[in-house]
Amino acid sequence: NAGVTQTPKFRVLKTGQSMTLLCAQDMNHEYMYWYRQDPGMGLRLIHYSVGEGTTAKGEVPDGYNVSRLKKQNFLLGLESAAPSQTSVYFCASNRPLDTEAFFGQGTRLTVV
Amino acid sequence: KQEVTQIPAALSVPEGENLVLNCSFTDSAIYNLQWFRQDPGKGLTSLLLIQSSQREQTSGRLNASLDKSSGRSTLYIAASQPGDSATYLCADMRDTGRRALTFGSGTRLQVQP
Repeated sequence: NAGVTQTPKFRVLKTGQSMTLLCAQDMNHEYMYWYRQDPGMGLRLIHYSVGEGTTAKGEVPDGYNVSRLKKQNFLLGLESAAPSQTSVYFCASNRPLDTEAFFGQGTRLTVV
Repeated sequence: KQEVTQIPAALSVPEGENLVLNCSFTDSAIYNLQWFRQDPGKGLTSLLLIQSSQREQTSGRLNASLDKSSGRSTLYIAASQPGDSATYLCADMRDTGRRALTFGSGTRLQVQP
């Protein structure tokens, strides 16, 4: 049972490039989330999804887009990367009535 | 806006000491509170989850308490070991439809052998 898997684990982008981060979960969870973590700070919510085909903005959504075409996958896109998006990105999932969130191992993104 | 604060930001203790990490939240209408451990460059490992109806949870040398009325939670670590060195994050989940977590900025713990 893999849980929550993020791809890739590391990436370096040049300013203006685009990329997609993939989150996959095999627990049949309805809810999925993308967070970012910056040095000395906790995680902040970027976007979330409460079910297949649905997405919504979190606290820091600017510069990101997401899609949830399949229940098990939640994609985070950066259309035009900026140095301010250098961060560690975490994906998480849980069921609506379950209160424990499960996290992926993170994607470390550097934008130069 | 919901805020979660953790004090202290960093803590260094000698091996064997008992210690307490603090977490405070501004909105008492939380659904649950969760404590995580994060090792450098790694993901989050869930340690303890306290439902809003509970007062405490225990796992081995760890004990977490929750006081909704005062907006506080504590993580108690007994007989600390060098292997406990890590950053500890608390996060609360409000009783809203999205069930997302609001995180504190963490306490970085160093246990000296």
